[in-house]
Amino acid sequence: NAGVTQTPKFRVLKTGQSMTLLCAQDMNHEYMYWYRQDPGMGLRLIHYSVGEGTTAKGEVPDGYNVSRLKKQNFLLGLESAAPSQTSVYFCASSYSIESNTEAFFGQGTRLTVV
Amino acid sequence: RKEVEQDPGPFNVPEGATVAFNCTYSNSASQSFFWYRQDCRKEPKLLMSVYSSGNEDGRFTAQLNRASQYISLLIRDSKLSDSATYLCVVNRGASGGSNYKLTFGKGTLLTVNP
Repeated sequence: NAGVTQTPKFRVLKTGQSMTLLCAQDMNHEYMYWYRQDPGMGLRLIHYSVGEGTTAKGEVPDGYNVSRLKKQNFLLGLESAAPSQTSVYFCASSYSIESNTEAFFGQGTRLTVV
Repeated sequence: RKEVEQDPGPFNVPEGATVAFNCTYSNSASQSFFWYRQDCRKEPKLLMSVYSSGNEDGRFTAQLNRASQYISLLIRDSKLSDSATYLCVVNRGASGGSNYKLTFGKGTLLTVNP
């Protein structure tokens, strides 16, 4: 059982380049999330989705777009990468957003923008 | 006041020690509470949920005080393998489906020394 899989695991981008991070989950979860993790800042929610075809902004959405065309996939796009987007990105999914539901995380994508 | 605040740490303790982590949250509407563990350069993983009556899982005990908006995690007889960052996580839940927010504290690094 793969759980939550992120691709790629590492990437170096030049300022202004674009890229898409892919998150796939095989647990039939309705809810999916993208976080970024920076030193001293903790995990911050970028965007999330409560079901196929839906997306919503999180705490730090600027500079990112997302799509959830299929229930199992949640894509995070950077249209014009900036050095401030250098971070570790984690995707997560959960069965529910109600009480005491565990969120399962992917292994992370380490992105460096130069 | 930040939504979720944890002891800044880091904590360095000898094997066998008892160590306690504290966490406070600002939103009284928060519905569920967790402790996650994150190993170096790995994804966060659920350690345990925190229930109102307090709960124990082996050497780990979690407590919740809703009146004080305070959560704690106690690790007894600490092992070398307990070395990790411990994340306090609060779920505001979803009234109406649009108010979801799973908020992470910045984490407290624990190093258990031989």
